[in-house]
Amino acid sequence: GAGVSQTPSNKVTEKGKYVELRCDPISGHTALYWYRQSLGQGPEFLIYFQGTGAADDSGLPNDRFFAVRPEGSVSTLKIQRTERGDSAVYLCASSRGQGAYNEQFFGPGTRLTVL
Amino acid sequence: EDKVVQSPLSLVVHEGDTVTLNCSYEVTNFRSLLWYKQEKKAPTFLFMLTSSGIEKKSGRLSSILDKKELFSILNITATQTGDSAIYLCAVLNNAGNMLTFGGGTRLMVKP
Repeated sequence: GAGVSQTPSNKVTEKGKYVELRCDPISGHTALYWYRQSLGQGPEFLIYFQGTGAADDSGLPNDRFFAVRPEGSVSTLKIQRTERGDSAVYLCASSRGQGAYNEQFFGPGTRLTVL
Repeated sequence: EDKVVQSPLSLVVHEGDTVTLNCSYEVTNFRSLLWYKQEKKAPTFLFMLTSSGIEKKSGRLSSILDKKELFSILNITATQTGDSAIYLCAVLNNAGNMLTFGGGTRLMVKP
C-alpha cells in the first residue's frame, strides 16, 4: 500500500473490555513498531517486530498488552481488561529493516477511549 | 533511563517569523536523532541527523546536531500558517529498533 494504515481510526470501549487494534505496514517492510501517545506527550515505544517475531517488547506496560504478527506483515495489538489509563492514540510504524538508516513511517493511529 | 527533552513546550508566532526549537537528550546508546512534524495523528519525517555539525536543510527548515553537548535545534524561517503543528524530536538507539521521543513543541503560526 501507499502508506501504513491502521484500523479502526477511533475506538470507544468500556472499562474491562477487550480490544484489538490493527496495523497494515508498508508492503515489503520487515520491521514493525507500536507506540502509544497520551495527550500532550510524545509517543512511547511499546514493541518492535522483525518479521514474525517480537524482537523487543520491553515497552509493553503490563501483561494485559500483547501483540502478534503471525505472517510478518499485518500486526494486531491486543489489550485485555482495558482501563481508563489505556486511553491514548496507538501509533504503528514500519521500516524496511532495522538500523540507523531505515526511516520509520508512521500510520495515522487509532484513538482508543476507555470509558 | 533514556531521556529526550524539548523546549519550549509551546510557541505562538506570526507568519514570517523565524523560530528555533530545541531538543536535548541523555541516552546510553545513541545512533541518530530524528525530527518529525505531527499535524493530526501520524508523525511525518523531517530529518535524520547522525553526525555533529552537519546542517540538514529542506526548504525553510534546517536542523543541526551537537553530539558533544547532546542537543539539536530545528529552525524554521519565514514561518507560514501551515507550519502549525507539534514538532517531535526522537533519538534512535544503537540497535536501530527503538525511538525515544521528547514531549514535543506545539507551534502555532498566526496569520
